[in-house]
Formats: sequence, structure tokens, C-alpha cells
Amino acid sequence: NAGVMQNPRHLVRRRGQEARLRCSPVKGHSHVYWYRQLPEEGLKFMVYLQKENIIDESGMPKERFSAEFPKEGPSILRIQQVVRGDSAAYFCASSPTQSTGTQYFGPGTRLLVL
Amino acid sequence: DQQVKQNSPSLSVQEGRISILNCDYTNSMFDYFLWYKKYPAEGPTFLISISSIKDKNEDGRFTVFLNKSAKHLSLHIVPSQPGDSAVYFCAASDNAGNMLTFGGGTRLMVKP
Repeated sequence: NAGVMQNPRHLVRRRGQEARLRCSPVKGHSHVYWYRQLPEEGLKFMVYLQKENIIDESGMPKERFSAEFPKEGPSILRIQQVVRGDSAAYFCASSPTQSTGTQYFGPGTRLLVL
Repeated sequence: DQQVKQNSPSLSVQEGRISILNCDYTNSMFDYFLWYKKYPAEGPTFLISISSIKDKNEDGRFTVFLNKSAKHLSLHIVPSQPGDSAVYFCAASDNAGNMLTFGGGTRLMVKP
């Protein structure tokens, strides 16, 4: 009865390095969402993907950030040339359908950029 | 432009009493509302939701009320327990269902 899985749980990078965050949705869920939470703030939507397709990336920064959800394997959120302002908790959520409703969240990846 | 607002950053309640957490929204296209509970270093856990066609939904100790005309919803927890101490987020989506828009959270502390 595995829920959404994310790894790594903690990631430390130096400025200019790349960060790769992985998300495996609940088994049978084909919709994946990424959110970012800055300290003392709520979660902010970044991107919504279905298998092999980006459906909505309106919350993604235009540069350095990309996301994919391949036919096989986990969804990946990639941040190139990280800066200190990228330090945050990144949460992945999944849902079985594009409902108006419930998304189930993973434990998050806490990214620290030194 | 905060479309979902939780104006109380924190709330302290005695064990056994009622906890009332409030949330306001501005986007009239929102038609589905959710409450999540979050412990430190964990992801948000879904608690309860309500569709805009209803004004109340109940699940055990948790009840969510929706006032569409006031664009306001609230979460009632009765009776409150120390294990309820966490940050509570309200969230909303429109019928496109692409994203959840979250409030800033309210930290609930239930004192034994």
C-alpha cells in the first residue's frame, strides 16, 4: 500500500550544480504534480504532468527548471545551475484522474543550496 | 496575489475543546476545497474536502463548512486532541483540476 515516494529526502548542492528530484506516484495514478514550499509559506504549484506529457507548467520558473514523467520510471524535477533561492521543500503529489480534487502528497525533498 | 488566505498563522486550543480554522478565497472559479494536515519534515496529508455544491461535509471529528457567498470555509475539529497539533493548509481547485492553490497555513497547538 505504498503512497507517493520521493527521493532523495534531503539534497545538498553547491551553487551552480544540478539537482534531480525523483517522484514515484501511487501505483495506478497517472497524474503527477510538483509543488514548492519556501520557509514559512504555503505550497506553490509548479507543474502538472501525465505520462510523457506536460499538461500545465504555468508555475515553473522559465529558466533552469524542467520536469518529465516518462513512460517508464519516476517523474523527475530537474534544476540546473542551482542558486541559493532554490533552497526549499519540493513536494510531489499524484491523483488517479484529473479530478477537481484530491491529490496525495509524498514526503518531500528538502533541497539546500550552499 | 493570494487567492487563498489563512489569516491566523497560529491557534492554541485546550484538549477536548473545539478547534476552528478559517480560510478565505477570492477566485470565484474555485469549486472544490480541501484541508490538509502537515507535520514537520513530512508531506501534507489529506484530511477532508468539500465540493461547492455542498455547504457542509463531515468525517468523524472533522467538519468542513463552506459559505460560497462569503467565499469562506472553515474546518472544525471536535474534540481536539494533542495529536492534532500540526500545520493545517486549506487548498482550492477549479474545474480544470490542474493545480491546487494553497493558503499559507495555520499552526494548531492542542494543549493537554
